[in-house]
Amino acid sequence: QVQLVQSGAEVKKPGASVKVSCKASGYTFTGYYMHWVRQAPGQGLEWMGRINPNSGGTNYAQKFQGRVTMTRDTSISTAYMELSRLRSDDTAVYYCARFVAVAGTYWFDPWGQGTLVTVSS
Amino acid sequence: EIVLTQSPGTLSLSPGERATLSCRASQSVSSSYLAWYQQKPGQAPRLLIYGASSRATGIPDRFSGSGSGTDFTLTISRLEPEDFAVYYCQQYGSSPLVTFGGGTKVEIK
Repeated sequence: QVQLVQSGAEVKKPGASVKVSCKASGYTFTGYYMHWVRQAPGQGLEWMGRINPNSGGTNYAQKFQGRVTMTRDTSISTAYMELSRLRSDDTAVYYCARFVAVAGTYWFDPWGQGTLVTVSS
Repeated sequence: EIVLTQSPGTLSLSPGERATLSCRASQSVSSSYLAWYQQKPGQAPRLLIYGASSRATGIPDRFSGSGSGTDFTLTISRLEPEDFAVYYCQQYGSSPLVTFGGGTKVEIK
């Protein structure tokens, strides 16, 4: 079955960087864009950006430009999201989500289980 | 920039009742690019509806989506205990590339 499995929880100090992985299985990894979405405690969903696993091309939300880097390793069907210069308000659950495009309609399915990143001194 | 506004913020209903959730866009959104997700505490979001009105695989037919332009609706015809959750609408394609609504929490009355 199609599945995204993310790396485990992280605790980081302000100013540090974090790199979250998302391993895909059950489908052709290079055939679907991968997006990253985060959710601060008790808050809604916030889109961060996407990567084309085939070409490596990326698009980032303006808010995260200069701080986020999305990469992939096609040999192990894994996407990565690295966020630098962490602040306390970066504390959130980070999700990867496969982007599906079929016949002109678009959606996210499935989602990874989420990775909690806690930024605290 | 497209903003999606969901209302109400919280909906208090009893099992068996009908739930009507609204998602209003600040600019017109193609129906093909509008999706709905359900999220339960401690879980990742789950796709319910895509293309504004098509149910995802395995989603019960008590869930339905409708709307066009700037106004979209998710309806749950008869609430089951497992339907109490937070629901998000999401659009794709306009700047920013992806936007989510703020969510509607459906809670047990």
